[in-house]
Amino acid sequence: AQKITQTQPGMFVQEKEAVTLDCTYDTSDPSYGLFWYKQPSSGEMIFLIYQGSYDQQNATEGRYSLNFQKARKSANLVISASQLGDSAMYFCAMSPFSGGSNYKLTFGKGTLLTVNP
Amino acid sequence: DTAVSQTPKYLVTQMGNDKSIKCEQNLGHDTMYWYKQDSKKFLKIMFSYNNKELIINETVPNRFSPKSPDKAHLNLHINSLELGDSAVYFCASSTTGPGNTIYFGEGSWLTVV
Repeated sequence: AQKITQTQPGMFVQEKEAVTLDCTYDTSDPSYGLFWYKQPSSGEMIFLIYQGSYDQQNATEGRYSLNFQKARKSANLVISASQLGDSAMYFCAMSPFSGGSNYKLTFGKGTLLTVNP
Repeated sequence: DTAVSQTPKYLVTQMGNDKSIKCEQNLGHDTMYWYKQDSKKFLKIMFSYNNKELIINETVPNRFSPKSPDKAHLNLHINSLELGDSAVYFCASSTTGPGNTIYFGEGSWLTVV
């Protein structure tokens, strides 16, 4: 079984500053994928970034980067130069590669990020 | 064009009623999912279909019945609605296989009164 832990129920950041959202995971699978999604107050789930467990480099997508530390089983999301529109709930999720077509995401409980002007 | 679309977006209904939520994706994906987000924002998978075949069926009451008429559609029918069914239901899709991104619809807010 997989488990995702997001220990920060809420985070505050000043506009234009960087913020790190924590995510740790637990799995016995040797290979897996890690994802971050954003859910603004309007409710939709927006894919942000993906990291494969065998990827040598940390993933980056614009202002988003994933600080992947495999030995520590952590996959923290870093948002640089925060904007007011970044205020949202952020979910970390993972899926093992062993399931074949039995492919599903296990989610953490989320972190509510508030960007202050 | 909306990649994964679901209807209705909002649904208020009485206990005991039967309701359906429809989902369509235009991404050419062969796997579709239903996820449930409860009042505490926790997301959990309910079902997944791969090429119209049921692959994942988590411990969901059998009042919930998914149906996939083709690869682009996955509907969710709920019988005898209960108060505890109030939640946001997300449809999602992906290509088959690990590491592929799962794309979500905008969610359907179901309120049972």
